Amino acid sequence: QKEVEQDPGPLSVPEGAIVSLNCTYSNSAFQYFMWYRQYSRKGPELLMYTYSSGNKEDGRFTAQVDKSSKYISLFIRDSQPSDSATYLCAMSARGGATNKLIFGTGTLLAVQP
Amino acid sequence: DAGVTQSPTHLIKTRGQQVTLRCSPKSGHDTVSWYQQALGQGPQFIFQYYEEEERQRGNFPDRFSGHQFPNYSSELNVNALLLGDSALYLCASSLSAGAYEQYFGPGTRLTVT
Repeated sequence: QKEVEQDPGPLSVPEGAIVSLNCTYSNSAFQYFMWYRQYSRKGPELLMYTYSSGNKEDGRFTAQVDKSSKYISLFIRDSQPSDSATYLCAMSARGGATNKLIFGTGTLLAVQP
Repeated sequence: DAGVTQSPTHLIKTRGQQVTLRCSPKSGHDTVSWYQQALGQGPQFIFQYYEEEERQRGNFPDRFSGHQFPNYSSELNVNALLLGDSALYLCASSLSAGAYEQYFGPGTRLTVT
């Protein structure tokens, strides 16, 4: 079983829709949760960063963490064609000498104009 | 403010050859991590360098080695290349070994034939 599970999609939505992207994880030591956006043939771009449980909002993006269910989500409101990309969740355990990130496989999102 | 840079952008090598990839971290960052991203997968942690030392290593063989220079730039070396080493190699930098926000470069696409 992978430490982080993510539905690879693809997910296709019309412009203006609310998008929900999700990941589940098995390692209860994970405390830091991140969402990255990756356009085709580019490096991942950090979108959102959350520590422990709760919600965080940044413009059209909202990240949610439910540690009791080991479940994290990213919501995109008023989706735009420019949001079309692969969305990767990533996690890291607290403590230790390094901040190794464990990634999901990524969900491919297509927003249709 | 220059972000993370990597070189070369892409390269093609033959099985058994050796390759060196280079990375310059984001200004002000002193920690560099390397990840391998196979097609359709999330990035996998190779190792992290801080203060010119390898701090943690992922599940990769000794054919993968690295180095960090006094100016914080880093190299990833892969010996005895296999077809399975074909992937996007990503460099990420952070403010310190314990910082959880990592910023990725555009990657080097390696093809092994």
